[in-house]
Amino acid sequence: ETGVTQTPRHLVMGMTNKKSLKCEQHLGHNAMYWYKQSAKKPLELMFVYSLEERVENNSVPSRFSPECPNSSHLFLHLHTLQPEDSALYLCASSQETSNEQFFGPGTRLTVL
Amino acid sequence: GDSVTQMEGPVTLSEEAFLTINCTYTATGYPSLFWYVQYPGEGLQLLLKATKADDKGSNKGFEATYRKETTSFHLEKGSVQVSDSAVYFCALTFGNRDDKIIFGKGTRLHILP
Repeated sequence: ETGVTQTPRHLVMGMTNKKSLKCEQHLGHNAMYWYKQSAKKPLELMFVYSLEERVENNSVPSRFSPECPNSSHLFLHLHTLQPEDSALYLCASSQETSNEQFFGPGTRLTVL
Repeated sequence: GDSVTQMEGPVTLSEEAFLTINCTYTATGYPSLFWYVQYPGEGLQLLLKATKADDKGSNKGFEATYRKETTSFHLEKGSVQVSDSAVYFCALTFGNRDDKIIFGKGTRLHILP
């Protein structure tokens, strides 16, 4: 248990569906992240939030929409995804963006 | 730019074998260095870290020494167990505000009983 929880753990969705991934951290951190982990590919940083402001968006398609309503919660809203978006989506948090990150268990997403 | 390079996997060893996973970095300063581990079905966990040259990080029998002269941070364990089977990520950060962690591609380790 790292203090970072993610729900759901598994999600199967069609290309026309809209769903959201949720991340919550109980560590008092002020930075949160979304990563995409695909088979046989490096870990891809998608979004960084620091003090609830988005500080980085690594050229992620607009069908992925992040939301950080407060320092403890981070969402990833999904719509009209493609099969190649199937991956493990990892959330992480840290105290400042430069320090070690604590990861959640991930959401395994399958897009049909 | 700054980067981390790890040895390609998968690495397959027998139980009780000696493990080395190589990691080298390219950076314009003196970063902090990390090893993260990802067990099957889980997120990444910090395994060990070192914040300055010649520091040795250690945890769960794993060790890594920050070598400035060779820009390396190789992970070692004297006797691996089946439960060590996982993916290992080397990473660096500079400790300045707005600097993120840079991860290597990961090395999958498979230990045979």
